[in-house]
Amino acid sequence: IAGITQAPTSQILAAGRRMTLRCTQDMRHNAMYWYRQDLGLGLRLIHYSNTAGTTGKGEVPDGYSVSRANTDDFPLTLASAVPSQTSVYFCASSDSAEMNTEAFFGQGTRLTVV
Amino acid sequence: GQNIDQPTEMTATEGAIVQINCTYQTSGFNGLFWYQQHAGEAPTFLSYNVLDGLEEKGRFSSFLSRSKGYSYLLLKELQMKDSASYLCAVMNSNYQLIWGAGTKLIIKP
Repeated sequence: IAGITQAPTSQILAAGRRMTLRCTQDMRHNAMYWYRQDLGLGLRLIHYSNTAGTTGKGEVPDGYSVSRANTDDFPLTLASAVPSQTSVYFCASSDSAEMNTEAFFGQGTRLTVV
Repeated sequence: GQNIDQPTEMTATEGAIVQINCTYQTSGFNGLFWYQQHAGEAPTFLSYNVLDGLEEKGRFSSFLSRSKGYSYLLLKELQMKDSASYLCAVMNSNYQLIWGAGTKLIIKP
């Protein structure tokens, strides 16, 4: 199925634990993004990657890390989870970061840190 | 700073027309997007404007005025399935998307 897939769909995580959210796309898009969405706030960019092998920090990168070893995969890691990282996380991809093309979103990961 | 403002919630009647406004202040402008997001689902693309004027796509239209920092999304012939949040996003001069908090649209029969 063409598109962008995230795993897991939901997770309850103990504070202090390490967690990796997975994201895979099969559209051969160059650019990929991780956002968090919290009630009453707009989507906030955590990290992005304009092309395989490169990553950059977004608006709220602290406590998160990413890697982009290939075109398809863009995992997001929480090194030591804290309750303020409770959120819905969306991975997205677009054909190009510098062309005004639409972004395609995964179905989201609902993370609760307790 | 950069910000996008849109109403938190709007209510409309099935079959009617509704206009959702978005005002923005960003560092540069490389286009404005509207996305639809149903509860518990991912955002999906609706429209893109980079030049002033109206873009029409079926029941949905989007308008842009760059000089006023203003856009609106017009939904005609409202259907119950249009109940969703509508997200306005602006691409700034660094090609980063700045997102509004979204407008929750409630459609009543």
